[in-house]
Amino acid sequence: EIVLTQSPGTLSLSPGERATLSCRASQSVSSSYLAWYHQKPGQAPRLLIFGASSRATGIPDRFTGSGSGTDFTLTISRLEPEDFAVYYCQHYGSSPPRWTFGQGTKVEIK
Amino acid sequence: EVQLVESGGGLVKPGESLRLSCAASGFTFNTYTMNWVRQAPGKGLEWVSSISSSSVYIYYADSVRGRFTISRDNAKNSLYLQMDSLRAEDTGVYYCARSPTVFDYWGQGTLVTVSS
Repeated sequence: EIVLTQSPGTLSLSPGERATLSCRASQSVSSSYLAWYHQKPGQAPRLLIFGASSRATGIPDRFTGSGSGTDFTLTISRLEPEDFAVYYCQHYGSSPPRWTFGQGTKVEIK
Repeated sequence: EVQLVESGGGLVKPGESLRLSCAASGFTFNTYTMNWVRQAPGKGLEWVSSISSSSVYIYYADSVRGRFTISRDNAKNSLYLQMDSLRAEDTGVYYCARSPTVFDYWGQGTLVTVSS
């Protein structure tokens, strides 16, 4: 069973700063099945990145996903006020099918 | 516009049952795998169950297998989750989400509270 570990647990930054979030898998995974979401308080999660580096519909280009194997990164180039939220990475495993989430990284206003 | 609207949550006692529903619109429901994902209060996301477009393939998380049953009615564009033998640890918001490998659309969720 694949375990996703996100770091840091909390990131305290100011608007305009760069955010770098990490997601590490317990074993090598296919980049095709690695995604990122964010969730604002009281709202449902929203898909940001799929296939490790492809932005979902309507997601601005300040969000960049990268990585392969066991190490994946979500970078937010310049934080906007609406970007302060909790971010989750997620992996889809096909044998048997199961969807695994990391524990989340909270990006908070410093 | 894709919309997923959950209903059926509420307060139940341990050991009781509850049935959640998810009404889908704005897309061709019978061509998509659908899922339930839950979130305990103040905690992260946990995938619960998945059902393929024609109900042939059904999968459950270990934590709910044998107690929960996922189903769908493509004629009604609806997804269901029958939850039996509920436990306190099943408390949380239950989201309906479209896949197949990533969850590209989510509902707003319905709250399930299991408490005596």
